Amino acid sequence: EVQLLESGGGFVQPGGSLRLSCAASGFTFSNYAMTWVRQAPGKGLEWVSGISSSGSSTYYADSVKGRFSISRDNSRNILYLQVSVLNTDDTAVYYCAKGLTGGYYYRIDSWGQGTLLTVSS
Amino acid sequence: QSALTQPASVSGPPGQSITISCTGTSSDVGGYNYVSWYQQHPGKAPKVIIYDVSYRPLGVSNRFSGSKSGNTASLTISGLQAEDEADYYCASYTSSTTYVFGTGTKVTAL
Repeated sequence: EVQLLESGGGFVQPGGSLRLSCAASGFTFSNYAMTWVRQAPGKGLEWVSGISSSGSSTYYADSVKGRFSISRDNSRNILYLQVSVLNTDDTAVYYCAKGLTGGYYYRIDSWGQGTLLTVSS
Repeated sequence: QSALTQPASVSGPPGQSITISCTGTSSDVGGYNYVSWYQQHPGKAPKVIIYDVSYRPLGVSNRFSGSKSGNTASLTISGLQAEDEADYYCASYTSSTTYVFGTGTKVTAL
């Protein structure tokens, strides 16, 4: 059974940084593209970033480009999202999601339960 | 990248069929067969119910079906049930190599 467990969320001040993690199990992590999606309180879903199975290709939404960095450790089965220069608009539940294949991060088939990041002074 | 356009809400009596539209452009919905639909119950993580326009993952009820015509994708729920009450989001790959979600639709079984 595919399991995705996000962690690392919490409270951070505007301008601050944090690293979110997603521990994967139940599948061969290194064979699948991954993605991060966020959802602000009471709002809709927003795609944040995607990464290929090898980690060689990364993709970002305009709203986070230059501030967020996606990466993965295929030896430890962990997906990361380094978030920096945070502002209050970044407050959201951050979900990691598994792709159907190695190269297509946008063909999602499983989601984690999410981790809440709150940016506030 | 602007969000895809969905109706804010759709409702129908149990047993009826309803359809949710998802309108984009030739740079996203109309240009690729990578449209997915997600169901989200309150306080829960989203769940994929349709991918690649019309394919259902294993375990998803065949009451859910997807289609696309031009720049508009559609999700049909046949035989609406109380358990189908949830928020539904479409999403599509884009020509900018990004991924865009729809505005979301709240489905209510009257």
